[in-house]
Amino acid sequence: AQRVTQPEKLLSVFKGAPVELKCNYSYSGSPELFWYVQYSRQRLQLLLRHISRESIKGFTADLNKGETSFHLKKPFAQEEDSAMYYCAAPHAGKSTFGDGTTLTVKP
Amino acid sequence: DAGITQSPRHKVTETGTPVTLRCHQTENHRYMYWYRQDPGHGLRLIHYSYGVKDTDKGEVSDGYSVSRSKTEDFLLTLESATSSQTSVYFCAINPGQGDSPLHFGNGTRLTVT
Repeated sequence: AQRVTQPEKLLSVFKGAPVELKCNYSYSGSPELFWYVQYSRQRLQLLLRHISRESIKGFTADLNKGETSFHLKKPFAQEEDSAMYYCAAPHAGKSTFGDGTTLTVKP
Repeated sequence: DAGITQSPRHKVTETGTPVTLRCHQTENHRYMYWYRQDPGHGLRLIHYSYGVKDTDKGEVSDGYSVSRSKTEDFLLTLESATSSQTSVYFCAINPGQGDSPLHFGNGTRLTVT
């Protein structure tokens, strides 16, 4: 079974600092991978997907097949980035989620 | 919000009572899912459906049942609620083809006392 691992449950950075949320996966073949974000009291929503290779709200994520990683990065964190972030891998119509990382950006 | 409504939004119930959570969508998508969200466990799939009367188990299906008699409604039932089922429950739909990103409802916070 495929697995998605987010090793950090909590991550705290100061405003303006770079931030990296880690995600590793175990999957055979070419994975599709997503990052979802959940702001306080809101529903989960898609942040970005690796296949689109775009930057959303200043975040980027690169798929590294050699390291089986899909880390989420932002060069300058903002207070409004404080949220729960989930890495997810869909397969055969179902999605497997990591345990999530709570990001806190301090002023 | 992809037209997903969950009800109720909050529920407090006693151990041993039956509870049904409802997920309603307005866009006739085939795939619907129930997840539970718990600290330290992320999101775990309970059950999912790929069409009317077609459902299957996820990774944490024990103690839960589902029904989908209409495309737009996916019901999650706890036959006899236990304290370990205290959680936030999210419904999701797959609005696209294959392994597309999911759209989520607002969640139902269930407390079993």
